[in-house]
Amino acid sequence: EVQLLESGGGLVQPGGSLRLSCAASGFTFSTYAMSWVRQVPGKGLEWVSTISPSGTGTYYADSVKGRFTISRDNSKNTLYLQVSSLRAEDTAVYYCTKGHKMATISSHFDSWGQGTLVTVSS
Amino acid sequence: ETVLTQSPDTLSLSPGERATLSCRASQSVNSYLAWYQQKPGQAPRLLIYDASNRATGIPARFSGSGSGTDFTLTINSLEPEDFAVYYCQQRSNWPWTFGQGTKVEIK
Repeated sequence: EVQLLESGGGLVQPGGSLRLSCAASGFTFSTYAMSWVRQVPGKGLEWVSTISPSGTGTYYADSVKGRFTISRDNSKNTLYLQVSSLRAEDTAVYYCTKGHKMATISSHFDSWGQGTLVTVSS
Repeated sequence: ETVLTQSPDTLSLSPGERATLSCRASQSVNSYLAWYQQKPGQAPRLLIYDASNRATGIPARFSGSGSGTDFTLTINSLEPEDFAVYYCQQRSNWPWTFGQGTKVEIK
């Protein structure tokens, strides 16, 4: 069974930083693209970032480009999102997601974690 | 950016009825469109990928169709557990985008 367990969220001041982590199990982590998707409570879904299975390819939404960095450690089956220069509008639940297709960066999200809440406020 | 527009915003139906949800893209996304279901307090769940393929464990009453810019999610004979918010999402063009969601509520 695929399991994705996010951690690292919390309350942070504007301009601050956090590192979100996602521990994956139940599948061969190194063969699937992974992504972060966020959702402001009560609002819709927003794709944030995707990383290729090997970690060599990354993509970002314009709203986070230059402030967020996605990475992965395939030896630890863990996905990361370093979030910096945080703004109030970054307040959201951040979901870790797994790609549905092996060995390609382009895939839909077939498994989701329970989410970790990031609150940016002074 | 590829904008996905879902309609209607809210669909009020009774159990046993058929739901037809629409997703229109501002440019072609080929068949690289997915549908997700989200219930309150839960993470989204993949229902349909690549326009018409049911994800693992998804009941046959859910079906997807379309290509290019116009897509449809059909739920035949709504079950009580199907009342939720549904999102479409494209992976054809960066940045990947979601529609704003359609809420299927009990009439």
